[in-house]
Amino acid sequence: DGGITQSPKYLFRKEGQNVTLSCEQNLNHDAMYWYRQDPGQGLRLIYYSQIVNDFQKGDIAEGYSVSREKKESFPLTVTSAQKNPTAFYLCASSIWAEGGQPQHFGDGTRLSIL
Amino acid sequence: DQQVKQNSPSLSVQEGRISILNCDYTNSMFDYFLWYKKYPAEGPTFLISISSIKDKNEDGRFTVLNKSAKHLSLHIVPSQPGDSAVYFCAASGVLNFGNEKLTFGTGTRLTIIP
Repeated sequence: DGGITQSPKYLFRKEGQNVTLSCEQNLNHDAMYWYRQDPGQGLRLIYYSQIVNDFQKGDIAEGYSVSREKKESFPLTVTSAQKNPTAFYLCASSIWAEGGQPQHFGDGTRLSIL
Repeated sequence: DQQVKQNSPSLSVQEGRISILNCDYTNSMFDYFLWYKKYPAEGPTFLISISSIKDKNEDGRFTVLNKSAKHLSLHIVPSQPGDSAVYFCAASGVLNFGNEKLTFGTGTRLTIIP
């Protein structure tokens, strides 16, 4: 079955640590995205990538980093510079350059601070 | 500045009746609007979309209307218990190179009363 797999489902971070959230897709989509959701808020775009070895900052990129070494994979690192990392993180993918094409989401990773 | 607004945080509807979820937007450059459904601890699932130049799109029990200036609505009829979820309105606008960014509203929690 084609889809997006995010792991782990739950993640705990100690103060000062970097943590990496995994996102893998087998939909053969060119574009991938990372969003953050906070309680009572919509999804906010952190980073996106339209093609391998290229990525761009979204609306709230500070304290985060990404890489896109393979088409299927788009890991997100939450660095110690991110002062309020507790949130629900969602990865998505879509066909590139198609107007109105929906983004397909994984089931998310919930990150909490110890 | 919230460019996509869902002013009703919650809505309760009797099973079998019509559910109407509203969405307002401020940016006239959006070219597509999408509705997503989200269950707790899962990623959003795409429901239905509409082009900014169309006034109606139907898919089974779901209809999206785009007939008023900077306002659209999602109609679910008849409403079923499985429709209980958070519904996000999202607007699509060009990022660059033809790829598109989704701007999400804050969501409306729909509860279907048996």
